[in-house]
Amino acid sequence: GAVVSQHPSWVICKSGTSVKIECRSLDFQATTMFWYRQFPKQSLMLMATSNEGSKATYEQGVEKDKFLINHASLTLSTLTVTSAHPEDSSFYICSARDWGDEKLFFGSGTQLSVL
Amino acid sequence: QKEVEQNSGPLSVPEGAIASLNCTYSDRVSQSFFWYRQYSGKSPELIMSIYSNGDKEDGRFTAQLNKASQYVSLLIRDSQPSDSATYLCAAWMDSSYKLIFGSGTRLLVRP
Repeated sequence: GAVVSQHPSWVICKSGTSVKIECRSLDFQATTMFWYRQFPKQSLMLMATSNEGSKATYEQGVEKDKFLINHASLTLSTLTVTSAHPEDSSFYICSARDWGDEKLFFGSGTQLSVL
Repeated sequence: QKEVEQNSGPLSVPEGAIASLNCTYSDRVSQSFFWYRQYSGKSPELIMSIYSNGDKEDGRFTAQLNKASQYVSLLIRDSQPSDSATYLCAAWMDSSYKLIFGSGTRLLVRP
């Protein structure tokens, strides 16, 4: 299967700081990447769809000014959590779809803890 | 009705038994379905995909799709303790380009 690399794997930060998470498709070009968030014992919730060269599409209830998404190339998308607060602590997972394939492949996830 | 629904479990089976995981879906999803396995603290791992009515087998895993009844299932034969995880059913939304997940079923395989 296709390989999606995500880092960092975990990050601890102080309240009010910003955190950037990177997601790369290593062996394919991903015109679209997806960002999910998962709270403990809950399922994955889609936050936004990231399209290369254009603005991301955010799901209802997700603040676009707080969760900045940039998809500058066909292999890289970044999620920046701005002015993070403890309630933003969660497991963030990126995913990408290889063109012409229905399957979605996931990065290893980033555990964010905001103190 | 949610787009994709699963029983949260836990489903407990003895080692060596068949584990049967079920998922129902609404008219709002397309006809492409996926089963992911997720271990605690890890990201989901794709196990099976199924697009046509009937059964699809891959090793110890069999996915079953019944479009008339709108359900998809995953059978795990010869269950092992290492199969203990949360299994997520997913489908693409028909009207928008996003993959929607069920709430997941936690499987426990007892040694």
